[in-house]
Amino acid sequence: SAVISQKPSRDICQRGTSLTIQCQVDSQVTMMFWYRQQPGQSLTLIATANQGSEATYESGFVIDKFPISRPNLTFSTLTVSNMSPEDSSIYLCSVAITGSYEQYFGPGTRLTVT
Amino acid sequence: AQTVTQSQPEMSVQEAETVTLSCTYDTSESDYYLFWYKQPPSRQMILVIRQEAYKQQNATENRFSVNFQKAAKSFSLKISDSQLGDAAMYFCAYRSAIFLRGATNKLIFGTGTLLAVQP
Repeated sequence: SAVISQKPSRDICQRGTSLTIQCQVDSQVTMMFWYRQQPGQSLTLIATANQGSEATYESGFVIDKFPISRPNLTFSTLTVSNMSPEDSSIYLCSVAITGSYEQYFGPGTRLTVT
Repeated sequence: AQTVTQSQPEMSVQEAETVTLSCTYDTSESDYYLFWYKQPPSRQMILVIRQEAYKQQNATENRFSVNFQKAAKSFSLKISDSQLGDAAMYFCAYRSAIFLRGATNKLIFGTGTLLAVQP
């Protein structure tokens, strides 16, 4: 498995501002993912963070709204830009271990936009 | 496209009893993986059990076991000797095993089953 940390664990932000969420893994991983979990809902993949290249976004998610960086094999950031109350969700970082099909999740970041 | 369906929004079980959570999925692929994740109120997603589609034997992890019926596209989770700490939201998830260039091989989740454990 992997130990995954996320910062911040929660935040309350004003409409129109941006928040950057950090994800740190204790080992090098091939794939890192960012998921969104809206209140009372299941998880939806936002994008796959690729090391050394642009992230791959799922339908309905765009780079201008959710820019992602992955400067190395253990770290990634997700920015939620120009926030609105509809962005209030839990954002989860997930990793796939090299040579394994399993995915593990970070503790999540609870974002509230007022 | 693959889909995962959990038809039980909520379930309840008495402590020490056994409960089964249902999951069905739809796919045209023959090679894939299935998972059950647990999400307690702390919101941490915890991998409970996994199953490779090519394996006929049902996976087990201590008190957790699955009933994998590939032809029926069914993947239920059985929790034996339920404990108070088992109370959580349980998500069934699917992941393709076919690694196509440019594909994300993302997890596809069901809508979840909220399990309550009564003392």
